[in-house]
Amino acid sequence: AQKVTQAQTEISVVEKEDVTLDCVYETRDTTYYLFWYKQPPSGELVFLIRRNSFDEQNEISGRYSWNFQKSTSSFNFTITASQVVDSAVYFCALRGGSQGNLIFGKGTKLSVKP
Amino acid sequence: ETGVTQTPRHLVMGMTNKKSLKCEQHLGHNAMYWYKQSAKKPLELMFVYNFKEQTENNSVPSRFSPECPNSSHLFLHLHTLQPEDSALYLCASSLGQSSYNEQFFGPGTRLTVL
Repeated sequence: AQKVTQAQTEISVVEKEDVTLDCVYETRDTTYYLFWYKQPPSGELVFLIRRNSFDEQNEISGRYSWNFQKSTSSFNFTITASQVVDSAVYFCALRGGSQGNLIFGKGTKLSVKP
Repeated sequence: ETGVTQTPRHLVMGMTNKKSLKCEQHLGHNAMYWYKQSAKKPLELMFVYNFKEQTENNSVPSRFSPECPNSSHLFLHLHTLQPEDSALYLCASSLGQSSYNEQFFGPGTRLTVL
């Protein structure tokens, strides 16, 4: 069975703080893909990043960075110097095999206060 | 128009009504998806279409009837819904159905069943 766990339901930080959103996954597939999406209040899920199971290199994109560790089945997301516009619900998702379904975690609601 | 669009954005219907949700993608993708997002539940995949053919029906009740006339359009026909069907219905598309293809989402239709 495949599963994605985002243990943090809600996080509240003050602007300019760094924040890390946790994601732990379970899968028996040897090939799989991990994703992060952002859902602002408007409702649309915005694709942020895709990672395949064979690439454990961490990635940085501006203030965003991702830490993929197969040993702990985790794919954590860090926002550096958070801004009010980062306020949203963030979803971690997993897709296994060649055409598996996209399995989402329950999401973490991030509130960044000025 | 760019990306994935959905209409209407909001819909209120009675249990005896028949209505349809529309999704259109302008990305040249071949796979399209319907998801249901209920409060406090992970996003649930409902249907998948690849090159207009339905490839996945995730045990969805027959009161939800999808239609995919071409690779750019996807409909969800609704009839005799229940109040528990109230949710945000999200449409997504991807280049192909392979697991590495990221999915791009529309803004969703907020459905309320009275």
